[in-house]
Amino acid sequence: QSVLTQPPSVSAAPGQKVTISCSGSSSNIGNNYVSWYQQLPGTAPKLLIYDNNKRPSGIPDRFSGSKSGTSATLGITGLQTGDEADYYCGTWDSSLSARWVFGGGTKLTVL
Amino acid sequence: QLQLQESGSGLVKPSQTLSLTCAVSGGSISSGGYSWSWIRQPPGKGLEWIGYIYHSGSTYYNPSLKSRVTISVDRSKNQFSLKLSSVTAADTAVYYCARASSTVTTPIQKIDYWGQGTLVTVSS
Repeated sequence: QSVLTQPPSVSAAPGQKVTISCSGSSSNIGNNYVSWYQQLPGTAPKLLIYDNNKRPSGIPDRFSGSKSGTSATLGITGLQTGDEADYYCGTWDSSLSARWVFGGGTKLTVL
Repeated sequence: QLQLQESGSGLVKPSQTLSLTCAVSGGSISSGGYSWSWIRQPPGKGLEWIGYIYHSGSTYYNPSLKSRVTISVDRSKNQFSLKLSSVTAADTAVYYCARASSTVTTPIQKIDYWGQGTLVTVSS
């Protein structure tokens, strides 16, 4: 059971938009920055969004992030078949058992 | 461009110790503002953070694994290492080393560089 809750799967057609949610609590998302990671099949995760809504160099603006309270959202517009991947949110959890935590991951299928 | 490369035994017997090393190139492990982590992913499952080390040698481990984990750094070789003791089949996973940006208040703010990962199987 992950500390951060993501939907197991989402799907949409090419060219459409999709959002992936990440729900946490005041000890993690509520008081720390959220980052998002894309894991293409058979590869290592890659940083997609950091500090809630910033994109590293080279990440297209089709990818966006937002945070409100204890939840965060990843948005992807203009879906491409190459976007099919697992997506993970992550943040520092400042509880008594402090640690970095990931969401359980969301499998994106581009139909 | 920073690169991280994991190496170590791909097969470990139950109850023994898993040992992996992460070689860092294209940058210095002694650079300030970063922590160096190990993360694992069991086959078909999600990501689990194991722990981090600073170039100073200061460490912090996931409380769920703390009793079995040791992370160390060798600044002369620009690498850091993971030891996980008393392994069981549940420790079978792809193990990633990674660099994270850290701040005064947050040891890991974002994980910006990852190794390619190495599969470790625990089996007799």
